[in-house]
Amino acid sequence: GQQVMQIPQYQHVQEGEDFTTYCNSSTTLSNIQWYKQRPGGHPVFLIQLVKSGEVKKQKRLTFQFGEAKKNSSLHITATQTTDVGTYFCAGKNDYKLSFGAGTTVTVRA
Amino acid sequence: EAGVTQFPSHSVIEKGQTVTLRCDPISGHDNLYWYRRVMGKEIKFLLHFVKESKQDESGMPNNRFLAERTGGTYSTLKVQPAELEDSGVYFCASSHMQTQYFGPGTRLLVL
Repeated sequence: GQQVMQIPQYQHVQEGEDFTTYCNSSTTLSNIQWYKQRPGGHPVFLIQLVKSGEVKKQKRLTFQFGEAKKNSSLHITATQTTDVGTYFCAGKNDYKLSFGAGTTVTVRA
Repeated sequence: EAGVTQFPSHSVIEKGQTVTLRCDPISGHDNLYWYRRVMGKEIKFLLHFVKESKQDESGMPNNRFLAERTGGTYSTLKVQPAELEDSGVYFCASSHMQTQYFGPGTRLLVL
């Protein structure tokens, strides 16, 4: 079955620095979605990428979908304490979402 | 607009007991999904309803798990009898089109 791998599992970032989390699928995806889960909270939808090579930005967050539609990345610039949480990618084929294990981000001031 | 709600928020039960989780989707959302996250691991798909019909239940771990969605509104997920490895957070999500909206989850601990 479809597998989605996400790295790194943990990311400890100095406030103000940039970081990137990567997502790879074993199969070609129809689209990829990104979610953020704050500590103690539930996953909240951030964005969906559909087209090959697509790049979307949300303020300090930049999302990319690979040309082969099998990988994706989330890059956060100038990390803030509000960025703490776990970021999940989820690859979609038909209606089913396959989630990566998530990247848990902590920020030191 | 009210979001997805789940009940209970927490449940602590003993091995061998029965637990029923409930999910109320966003009104008008035909699609309802159940997921489970075991500590530190990925969120795993359990099953998908379209209205009252099970579209895909390939993620259900075994026959101790039973999901229903009577009338195509709220859904229940029953675990009977519960085992230790069933512990985790059970999320429900609903969608109208592509975007899935998650509920707050039920944290289940089986002792």
